[in-house]
Amino acid sequence: GAGVSQSPRYKVTKRGQDVALRCDPISGHVSLYWYRQALGQGPEFLTYFNYEAQQDKSGLPNDRFSAERPEGSISTLTIQRTEQRDSAMYRCASSLYGGETQYFGPGTRLLVL
Amino acid sequence: AQTVTQSQPEMSVQEAETVTLSCTYDTSESDYYLFWYKQPPSRQMILVIRQEAYKQQNATENRFSVNFQKAAKSFSLKISDSQLGDAAMYFCAYRLYTLTQGGSEKLVFGKGTKLTVNP
Repeated sequence: GAGVSQSPRYKVTKRGQDVALRCDPISGHVSLYWYRQALGQGPEFLTYFNYEAQQDKSGLPNDRFSAERPEGSISTLTIQRTEQRDSAMYRCASSLYGGETQYFGPGTRLLVL
Repeated sequence: AQTVTQSQPEMSVQEAETVTLSCTYDTSESDYYLFWYKQPPSRQMILVIRQEAYKQQNATENRFSVNFQKAAKSFSLKISDSQLGDAAMYFCAYRLYTLTQGGSEKLVFGKGTKLTVNP
């Protein structure tokens, strides 16, 4: 079956612009996660959804970052007023339920100029 | 706080030989999950192997196996008969589960080990 998909795969934006990153999890997967990965580092947790409920947003770095999953399927991570330090790979993962193996999407590489 | 340490930033191995990647972690939990993920140059994140802490038997997946030492909090990955396609970054990860906010979980990753396979 289809894996986790993310769009866009690459995004170049100017400092101060807003960006929206989309994640389409594996069909039927209840749990969805967002991570951020800087070059040469492991992914770092941003936020976690169980169905449509955002149960943990402790990893979001500041209030410019937000995420939603209104119907319990597709999720959007939004970064407002982007800054150069936001440049990174943003990864989405999903699992059938909490506690099950997380499967990752291909990531969105964000570059803020 | 749970941390994951990969002490080898880079490793190399000759094709067809065996290599072991190290990982240690810190936790006060008694039951947990550990993972190895592979990140090839395409930068996909691919699950290699998973280990449940309550299982004494080490997990294996074809040429990949782990040496899980619970008391020592060590979780190393052994790759046998290395192939050129094994060249990648390898990340060790710990599943952290918390009861706050109705329950949350996340993966805590190490910084990775870059594996080079020489022909």
